Amino acid sequence: GDQVEQSPSALSLHEGTGSALRCNFTTTMRAVQWFQQNSRGSLINLFYLASGTKENGRLKSTFNSKESYSTLHIRDAQLEDSGTYFCAAEAIYGNEKITFGAGTKLTIKP
Amino acid sequence: EAAVTQSPRSKVAVTGGKVTLSCHQTNNHDYMYWYRQDTGHGLRLIHYSYVADSTEKGDIPDGYKASRPSQENFSLILELASLSQTAVYFCASSYRGQDTQYFGPGTRLLVL
Repeated sequence: GDQVEQSPSALSLHEGTGSALRCNFTTTMRAVQWFQQNSRGSLINLFYLASGTKENGRLKSTFNSKESYSTLHIRDAQLEDSGTYFCAAEAIYGNEKITFGAGTKLTIKP
Repeated sequence: EAAVTQSPRSKVAVTGGKVTLSCHQTNNHDYMYWYRQDTGHGLRLIHYSYVADSTEKGDIPDGYKASRPSQENFSLILELASLSQTAVYFCASSYRGQDTQYFGPGTRLLVL
């Protein structure tokens, strides 16, 4: 079954506001990556976390392996943040493969 | 910054024909991957490789072959293309298995 469950599937924000995206895992994960897929279809890596929290500008991500979830917080959203955000995780008993979630489509409105 | 390139960027193929997608990376990464993305979905792993001249099956390998002739190059081969293989294909590389993956721009494949 699906190991990586992303929510919400779609989200609309006004510029300047913020929200959180979430990934829940149905098995113990070793690490998580977050990507943004922009309007041209390019995949941009945002974070790689084996534990704890990382921050980069207006983005912050947390990974809690014990409780099997990861979050991506966006604050002060800008138009260029629009796109689809994917989390992808490595199972702790896996063989170096990562499993992608289905993505959250984020739309930023003026 | 990681540099992964793919060719062609788009292709139209006929059912039953052979298709080869190529990927090249210039980062000295050991690991390379091929994924497919279907409209409105996440990526699924087809094949991957952690050393030249060796490939491993991913989650959906049926109907695909892979070739890793050198550290820099990784190809995906569809011997008999089918309609269901219409998708966008992404190549990625990483320094090691448990590490950030860097993606190429994708190849849009349409099988008619």
